[in-house]
Formats: sequence, structure tokens, C-alpha cells
Amino acid sequence: GAVVSQHPSRVICKSGTSVKIECRSLDFQATTMFWYRQFPKQSLMLMATSNEGSKATYEQGVEKDKFLINHASLTLSTLTVTSAHPEDSSFYICSGKRGGRGNIQYFGAGTRLSVL
Amino acid sequence: QQQVKQSPQSLIVQKGGISIINCAYENTAFDYFPWYQQFPGKGPALLIAIRPDVSEKKEGRFTISFNKSAKQFSLHIMDSQPGDSATYFCAAPGETSGSRLTFGEGTQLTVNP
Repeated sequence: GAVVSQHPSRVICKSGTSVKIECRSLDFQATTMFWYRQFPKQSLMLMATSNEGSKATYEQGVEKDKFLINHASLTLSTLTVTSAHPEDSSFYICSGKRGGRGNIQYFGAGTRLSVL
Repeated sequence: QQQVKQSPQSLIVQKGGISIINCAYENTAFDYFPWYQQFPGKGPALLIAIRPDVSEKKEGRFTISFNKSAKQFSLHIMDSQPGDSATYFCAAPGETSGSRLTFGEGTQLTVNP
């Protein structure tokens, strides 16, 4: 078990539009979900941490008004990139952590965002 | 905040050889130390994880060795195969239980046939 589904896998959009990425835990309840950004050949950069039913905690330097995170249920979190610009083009990955099961995170397959 | 240093940055191994990737962390922690495997264009997949009160954990061809006093842990891939070619990330927990993970910079492993 511990499967995380992330959609879409790839999205191309025009500059100025908003894009929503969904992250679902399919066989466990994810009390905490994380959103990462990854640049080519680099490590995972944590953007924000969200707990079900509460506001997300953003890392320093991440614009909370640009990257809207909603964690409305124990199995679904969404990341909305608002008014996307070419510099937002990147690989976005979500992960979920089981409640009461320590710190292991289970990752989605990632979303490749390309902003034209 | 937790710090993690991973080496080497890249590694080339012949098929059947042993691949060894090392990580060092800074702050004492009591939760799992996991290793993740990532293929191009995919999300990281959990490979194996160890708690700091255990010195070694083996799952198939993958073994984690953990040195708590030195604050170091390593991944050994025995009988490396071309299909193991991927990027590997180690991660260390924070000081509090259930906290975020801090990832190493990654090791790009290439296993030549």
C-alpha cells in the first residue's frame, strides 16, 4: 500500500493562466501532505506542508498567493499555480505521510508544468 | 534545522558490482532515515528505510548501514543491474517525531551492462 496519485502528469499553459494539480492518497489517509519543486538534476525543494483541514505552512521564499494549497480531506490536496509565468515552469511533486506512522513520505509521480 | 550531505554526486558501476552511496546528517533524530529512488520524469519511490536504533537493514539487494555515533548512513546495492540506473536520494528526519524530511543532493547512478 501507500500509493499517491498525482494529476495531471504534464500540463502546458499560457502565461497568466492558473493551473491546478491534484494529489490523492489512494490507500491511506494522509494527515500531512507536502509539495515539492524539483529543477533538473537537483534535489527536492520543499515548498509547503499542509495538514488536513488547516492552512498550509509555506517555506521561506515561496509566495503563498501564487502557490495556493488546499488540503480539504485526508486523501486530497491541491496545488494551484495562479497567474503562471515562464519562471514557474518546473517539475512539481506531492507526497503524503500517514498519520501516526512516523515520517515516511510517499510520493506522487510528479507534474511537469510548462508555461509558454 | 537538519542538514544532510550526500556523496558521490555521480557513480558509474559495472553490472554485477556493488554501488555504495553515503550520507551524513547533522542533528540527532529518532525517526526513520529513508532512501528514495527516482527515475527521469517520475516521482521518488521509497526504496528502504531504517530507524537509528538499528545498525543495518537488508531488503533483497539493497542494504542500509547506519552509524549513529558518526551520524552517517549508507546505501549498498549488491549485484547492481542496468535497471538500477537512477538517481538516489537519502533523507534524514528532523528532531521531532513525524517531522519533515531533509533530502540529500542526490546521486546519479549508472550501471553499465
